[in-house]
Amino acid sequence: NAGVTQTPKFQVLKTGQSMTLQCAQDMNHNSMYWYRQDPGMGLRLIYYSASEGTTDKGEVPNGYNVSRLNKREFSLRLESAAPSQTSVYFCASSDLNSGTDQPQHFGDGTRLSIL
Amino acid sequence: AQKITQTQPGMFVQEKEAVTLDCTYDTSDQSYGLFWYKQPSSGEMIFLIYQGSYDEQNATEGRYSLNFQKARKSANLVISASQLGDSAMYFCAMREDAYSGAGSYQLTFGKGTKLSVIP
Repeated sequence: NAGVTQTPKFQVLKTGQSMTLQCAQDMNHNSMYWYRQDPGMGLRLIYYSASEGTTDKGEVPNGYNVSRLNKREFSLRLESAAPSQTSVYFCASSDLNSGTDQPQHFGDGTRLSIL
Repeated sequence: AQKITQTQPGMFVQEKEAVTLDCTYDTSDQSYGLFWYKQPSSGEMIFLIYQGSYDEQNATEGRYSLNFQKARKSANLVISASQLGDSAMYFCAMREDAYSGAGSYQLTFGKGTKLSVIP
């Protein structure tokens, strides 16, 4: 009963390095999301994917790219990491077609530090 | 203007007492949904309760209930009989259906309230 799985759980990068955060869900959800959480800021949406093959920008997309590899997997890429991207990153999934009361289900997060 | 406002950065409650966490929202959409999530110190986001804008009854889930006052645009979370395990950050979030489509929806989160339960 895994739900949403994120890898890695922790990562330290140097400024300018690139990295991809991986996310997979096993709930057969159509929609997937990437958020970042900074102290005192709540969660902010970076990108989302309504269905396989589509992606859209959220509130804070600059410096990130995403790929919806298939229905299960949605990755987030930092091409040239900056200290301002130090944050906790959450992946989530949902299926609004199952009812308007359906919540987004979150992974456990990736804690990313950029030096 | 913030769409979700949680005015209490931190709160304390005595074990076994009830506590109310405030959430006000701002939307011109007639169709929307409100969610509460719990984030313990371990970091995961746990869904607690949902209230739809057209729901006539206040939502309840075990010890959690939602005091929904539509005219005031408030959706306060009430936790009854607090337990030590309730100590966590609590986030209120809103889905606006005008911005939803193709089965997906965006959530706007508040900044959260840190609840500490005192033995």
